Amino acid sequence: DARVTQTPRHKVTEMGQEVTMRCQPILGHNTVFWYRQTMMQGLELLAYFRNRAPLDDSGMPKDRFSAEMPDATLATLKIQPSEPRDSAVYFCASGLARTYSPHGYTFGSGTRLTVV
Amino acid sequence: QKEVEQDPGPLSVPEGAIVSLNCTYSNSAFQYFMWYRQYSRKGPELLMYTYSSGNKEDGRFTAQVDKSSKYISLFIRDSQPSDSATYLCAMTSTSGTYKYIFGTGTRLKVLA
Repeated sequence: DARVTQTPRHKVTEMGQEVTMRCQPILGHNTVFWYRQTMMQGLELLAYFRNRAPLDDSGMPKDRFSAEMPDATLATLKIQPSEPRDSAVYFCASGLARTYSPHGYTFGSGTRLTVV
Repeated sequence: QKEVEQDPGPLSVPEGAIVSLNCTYSNSAFQYFMWYRQYSRKGPELLMYTYSSGNKEDGRFTAQVDKSSKYISLFIRDSQPSDSATYLCAMTSTSGTYKYIFGTGTRLKVLA
């Protein structure tokens, strides 16, 4: 089965440190999403890309978060500097968006981030 | 008020029961509706999607959309312990952005 691969699975870091999370989308998918999941807020959309171009990053705190797709096989989400309130599970999802016919997306297993 | 509201549960039912999971929403532009299942420490996986109003059935699962009431439901028949998970609704419009708005999820526990 094709899958979205996220690394690392778990990350514990100290406040102020840089954190980089990586995602390998499913080959052939043209849309990549970054979500953050917490108990209180549920799944929040941080950013998404279509054909590697950023379409929307309005859900992301711009001063500390950045998302990029250096190539079609890699998406990255960076937090610098990290804060305890960033502790959450970060999911990457990919899909093939067709005009007038969106379908569900495939999620990775997530990166569980703890900032102490 | 959130665009999508979902009762967090937890919801506990005996094995074999019919389960009803629901979401309400406020944005009348939403046209595509999805249900995801998320097991503990895993990513969400797509269960069903429907377009506009009506019902869709897949095995023991039925998705129902009532756009006039801005209300969607997922029914699980003959529930099994393996159905124990968090169920998230998600929806999007036809604007072309394909940004899904998710509910916070309902935790379901099916007791053997």
